[in-house]
Amino acid sequence: QKEVEQDPGPLSVPEGAIVSLNCTYSNSAFQYFMWYRQYSRKGPELLMYTYSSGNKEDGRFTAQVDKSSKYISLFIRDSQPSDSATYLCAMRMNTGFQKLVFGTGTRLLVSP
Amino acid sequence: DGGITQSPKYLFRKEGQNVTLSCEQNLNHDAMYWYRQDPGQGLRLIYYSQIVNDFQKGDIAEGYSVSREKKESFPLTVTSAQKNPTAFYLCASSAGVNQPQHFGDGTRLSIL
Repeated sequence: QKEVEQDPGPLSVPEGAIVSLNCTYSNSAFQYFMWYRQYSRKGPELLMYTYSSGNKEDGRFTAQVDKSSKYISLFIRDSQPSDSATYLCAMRMNTGFQKLVFGTGTRLLVSP
Repeated sequence: DGGITQSPKYLFRKEGQNVTLSCEQNLNHDAMYWYRQDPGQGLRLIYYSQIVNDFQKGDIAEGYSVSREKKESFPLTVTSAQKNPTAFYLCASSAGVNQPQHFGDGTRLSIL
């Protein structure tokens, strides 16, 4: 079993829809959670960075962490065709140097 | 503009050849990282450096080498010992070793 599981998609939605992207993980020691957006042939771009449980909002994006269920989500409101990309979740533990553990990414397609 | 520059964007390697991928950052970040991205897999850590003149192996360091002689630069050499080098290579940096990581736009390495 992988430490971080993410559905590869593709997830296809119409423009304006609310998108929900999710990751599950097995290591309860993960404390920091990130979402990256990656366009084709480009590097990942950091969207959200959260610590422990709860919600964090930034514009059209909301990151949610449920540590009791070992489940994190990224919600995108009013989705746009420019949101079409692969979304990667990443997480790490708290102490010392801890490598990031990445999900494999979910491909999102937003149609006009 | 501050950022991370990777070059070249595309690189071809012949059998038995070593090739070097360049990564330069002007963000004044102390920590730098090299990842490999393969289809269907999460990003995997090759090497990381917390400070100039120091670097550590990641999960898949075999067949790779790095140097960190300057704060701004962290070149990766893919040696002939790396038997499956075809991948998308991503360089990242962060202000400190457990701060959010920011990525360059990658180098795609292929075998001739």
